[in-house]
Amino acid sequence: QVQLVESGGGVVQPGRSLRLSCAASGFTFSSYGMHWVRQAPGKGLEWVAVIWYDGSNKYYPDSVKGRFTISRDNSKNTLYLQMNSLRAEDTAVYYCARGSGDSALDIWGQGTMVTVSS
Amino acid sequence: DIQMTQSPSSLSASVGDRVTITCRASQRISSYLNWYQQKPGKAPNLLIYAASSLQSGVPSRFSGSGSGTDFTLTISSLQPEDFATYYCQQSYTTLFTFGPGTKVDIK
Repeated sequence: QVQLVESGGGVVQPGRSLRLSCAASGFTFSSYGMHWVRQAPGKGLEWVAVIWYDGSNKYYPDSVKGRFTISRDNSKNTLYLQMNSLRAEDTAVYYCARGSGDSALDIWGQGTMVTVSS
Repeated sequence: DIQMTQSPSSLSASVGDRVTITCRASQRISSYLNWYQQKPGKAPNLLIYAASSLQSGVPSRFSGSGSGTDFTLTISSLQPEDFATYYCQQSYTTLFTFGPGTKVDIK
């Protein structure tokens, strides 16, 4: 079945780095744009990054631009989020999601928790 | 960036009630508006895309309407499994943004 599985979360000190992964299965990964969305504890959803199906374009909101990098390996059906210079406010559950042809997020992973704390 | 607002921020309703949630965009976004349902500890689930199209597998009691800046999600007859938080999200620009959410709980 169509599935996204995130991994790589954990506890990290402020200023350090962490890389999240999202393994896709059950669909042609290389045909879809992919996104990262996060949710701080008790808060709403915040869109974090998008990458085009072929990796040719990437976009970020100002809150993470210059610190986070989205990438993908279509040969491995895997999406990544490299997070550098982490801050306490980056603490959240991070979800990967598939971008549908109608510009919605139609498939979501179960999420991986990132805690930034000294 | 396009800002999204939702009202109300929370509501209490009974099983069988008709529930309406409103979402407003800070600028016109045509019909590039999606709705998600999220239950505690779970990932969001797409309900409505392109303002009024029902996602496959979603019950027909959910419907969406609107265009431009004002949008509505309606649950025609609230069921026990519908108690959750609902988010709108614009996809008019490449930089997606979500509304703050509307929590629907039991009256």
